[in-house]
Amino acid sequence: QSALTQPASVSGSPGQSITISCTGTTSDVGGYNYVSWYQHHPGKAPKLMIYEVSNRPSGVSNRFSGSKSGNTASLTISGLQAEDEADYYCSSYTSSSTLGVFGGGTKLTVL
Amino acid sequence: EVQLLESGGGLVQPGGSLRLSCAASGFTLSTYAMSWVRQAPGKGLEWVSAISGSGSSAYYADSVKGRFTISRDNSKNALYLQMNSLSAEDTAVYYCAKGTVTYAKRILDYWGQGTLVTVSS
Repeated sequence: QSALTQPASVSGSPGQSITISCTGTTSDVGGYNYVSWYQHHPGKAPKLMIYEVSNRPSGVSNRFSGSKSGNTASLTISGLQAEDEADYYCSSYTSSSTLGVFGGGTKLTVL
Repeated sequence: EVQLLESGGGLVQPGGSLRLSCAASGFTLSTYAMSWVRQAPGKGLEWVSAISGSGSSAYYADSVKGRFTISRDNSKNALYLQMNSLSAEDTAVYYCAKGTVTYAKRILDYWGQGTLVTVSS
């Protein structure tokens, strides 16, 4: 069982917005602003999309945004595009480990 | 351009050993912590191990502690993962990932494409 809880799947039509949640505890998501989000197309290298809750690395589209409230972080993708179809993972610093922890992953389907 | 290229995966029998390598380019390896992350078939990502920029500190998931050893050779721009006493549960794609300057933030900003390790008789 993953330390962080994500929905197994979400879907949306092109142009719509979707939000993926990532729920943890005060030992990880809720206690620190060190939440990251990764996009993973199967067979390819995972890609960092959001770091420190809401920051976008250079080159990542501004259609991707992150936020946090309490023990739950969220990734929002606006103006959905076909190429956004992928698996998305959240990750966080945790006081319970010297490593980070991942969520179980969410499969995004663009209808 | 940052590039990470893993190698060394393959088929190994239960109880066997394997050494993974990650060739890094496009950045000064010694400045950054590095990590290994794996994905078992049909499963999510699991952070396996990390090592500080100097190599003086190493961290492991409980699932591999005592069996896996992470190391680095900054002069060769290389990261390694020595895996011993392998079991079927270790079957996964193993990714090499670059950290940021501050390991505490647990950010992995570049990843390789992975190398497949299959443990089976």
